[in-house]
Amino acid sequence: GEDVEQSLFLSVREGDSSVINCTYTDSSSTYLYWYKQEPGAGLQLLTYIFSNMDMKQDQRLTVLLNKKDKHLSLRIADTQTGDSAIYFCAESLSGTYKYIFGTGTRLKVLA
Amino acid sequence: NAGVTQTPKFRVLKTGQSMTLLCAQDMNHEYMYWYRQDPGMGLRLIHYSVGEGTTAKGEVPDGYNVSRLKKQNFLLGLESAAPSQTSVYFCASSKVAGGETQYFGPGTRLLVL
Repeated sequence: GEDVEQSLFLSVREGDSSVINCTYTDSSSTYLYWYKQEPGAGLQLLTYIFSNMDMKQDQRLTVLLNKKDKHLSLRIADTQTGDSAIYFCAESLSGTYKYIFGTGTRLKVLA
Repeated sequence: NAGVTQTPKFRVLKTGQSMTLLCAQDMNHEYMYWYRQDPGMGLRLIHYSVGEGTTAKGEVPDGYNVSRLKKQNFLLGLESAAPSQTSVYFCASSKVAGGETQYFGPGTRLLVL
């Protein structure tokens, strides 16, 4: 079946790099996404990667996709306290309306 | 350009009461979605719509109804609220499906006593 898994918590020190990991099961993904949710707010799209790409870099964000292992990661360089939030991995399935979300990883940045 | 808006932001209901959550988008998107977010469970799709006048069931549709009378609005109704429906509800929209980015509203926090 379709499933997206993430670890629940990650804690890093300010200025360090954060790496948030995600695994998915469906090989028919079209796009894979990273969303950020701050307290009391909706989900904000951070970045996305097309399923035939291996890597995408966008300022402090680097997305790596390992299609063989169905593993997606988000690296945040020079993590700041403002990066503290819940990060959701999601995939959209080719030819369908479906977007499958992970459970979210709560990132806590320590000053 | 407000994007996706939701009303109300917060509501408390008693068991058995009914209410309607309103979602509006100004991006002329065809697809609209209602999700619920519960701790440790990510987002689960309740209902979705692929265009004006259409609705379809998602992953957890029981206890909810929806309507899409106008392209820009997607309403979620609870006919007889139950404590299990205590959750945060998010509306989203996208231009098309299967690869186009979804845009989310700020959420409606619902508490059913």
